[in-house]
Amino acid sequence: DSGVTQTPKHLITATGQRVTLRCSPRSGDLSVYWYQQSLDQGLQFLIQYYNGEERAKGNILERFSAQQFPDLHSELNLSSLELGDSALYFCASSPRLNSPLHFGNGTRLTVT
Amino acid sequence: AQKITQTQPGMFVQEKEAVTLDCTYDTSDPSYGLFWYKQPSSGEMIFLIYQGSYDQQNATEGRYSLNFQKARKSANLVISASQLGDSAMYFCAMREGRQSNFGNEKLTFGTGTRLTIIP
Repeated sequence: DSGVTQTPKHLITATGQRVTLRCSPRSGDLSVYWYQQSLDQGLQFLIQYYNGEERAKGNILERFSAQQFPDLHSELNLSSLELGDSALYFCASSPRLNSPLHFGNGTRLTVT
Repeated sequence: AQKITQTQPGMFVQEKEAVTLDCTYDTSDPSYGLFWYKQPSSGEMIFLIYQGSYDQQNATEGRYSLNFQKARKSANLVISASQLGDSAMYFCAMREGRQSNFGNEKLTFGTGTRLTIIP
């Protein structure tokens, strides 16, 4: 168990809808990262937060947004969903630079 | 150019044999870290081993070791005495940047190698 909790584990929704993915980092970890894993794109970095502030942005679509709350949990919001958004979404956390990222078990999103 | 290259899409190895998974990387930053992760069929990402660019010795963690050849920019994962439970996808990843820069510590991942251990 990595200590990173992601909910829900599975999500099935229709095109055009909006969903929210939730992540609780390991106790004490201030950095939260979101990754998308799809068959054709592999593991893609989406966004990083550190202690509530956005610190790095990757290939995140404008339809997607995220935030980290004062209690350090984070949410990834995906809107106007398309079939191509179907993927495994990972949250990861780490306490400091050059320490490994510890991943949650992911949320599998299926858009129909 | 790809930052992380894993040239072996799949490998089949006999149980109890050692296996080497290849990883080459591309960076001009003198400070970087290299990571290996395992992803079983259940989907979770499990951290295995880490090597810093300034580390003098190759990293080891139990049956895992990292063959770090800085001049060749390679960071191969070696699994000794493979077990059936080692069957999984293995990802090499890199983080670039100085330790003082806590602004961007994202990992860039390779495409992975699917390892299958044969009984």
